[in-house]
Amino acid sequence: DTGVSQNPRHKITKRGQNVTFRCDPISEHNRLYWYRQTLGQGPEFLTYFQNEAQLEKSRLLSDRFSAERPKGSFSTLEIQRTEQGDSAMYLCASSPDRGGYTFGSGTRLTVV
Amino acid sequence: SQQGEEDPQALSIQEGENATMNCSYKTSINNLQWYRQNSGRGLVHLILIRSNEREKHSGRLRVTLDTSKKSSSLLITASRAADTASYFCATDETGGFKTIFGAGTRLFVKA
Repeated sequence: DTGVSQNPRHKITKRGQNVTFRCDPISEHNRLYWYRQTLGQGPEFLTYFQNEAQLEKSRLLSDRFSAERPKGSFSTLEIQRTEQGDSAMYLCASSPDRGGYTFGSGTRLTVV
Repeated sequence: SQQGEEDPQALSIQEGENATMNCSYKTSINNLQWYRQNSGRGLVHLILIRSNEREKHSGRLRVTLDTSKKSSSLLITASRAADTASYFCATDETGGFKTIFGAGTRLFVKA
């Protein structure tokens, strides 16, 4: 197992377009997190899955954001009608239990 | 919103010196974690300390936790140029699922 994999690494999109990111966690990890990070800041929590159940979602997340984790395996994060303020690094992390997460390398989104 | 606040925001030291970073948080926690992030890359987990622990060591890293003051410190001994990175503390709140990160300390180790 090579760790947490995220695709694509980079995404440039026009404002108003929809984008989807994929995260493949470590196979035996049942916990999966999505975070967003902007330059000079720490990661900001977006949502948490335990297996296929989405157990927590940030109140900062607008209705334009949705995440899924079908069958408790890979996860997708979709942003609809992107805005320039959505430009950030989107990070996925997984863990077998609480704490000590393994992060992916992230997807860098640029909205132009 | 970010719970943890790291201090200092930036730190520049000579190779071989020790580096100390501090973290303060606001609510009751299950554990506190420290992560390292090299420029433009993902975060790497360094060490986790549980709320009932006061000190933990891992190689050149020493972490302390004072739950009465809601603070933690990360000490890197005998620093190396390769330690140059951003360091983040992160807390697992009691009764919740999310891990909250601070804004980080940017460490620069000069060779």
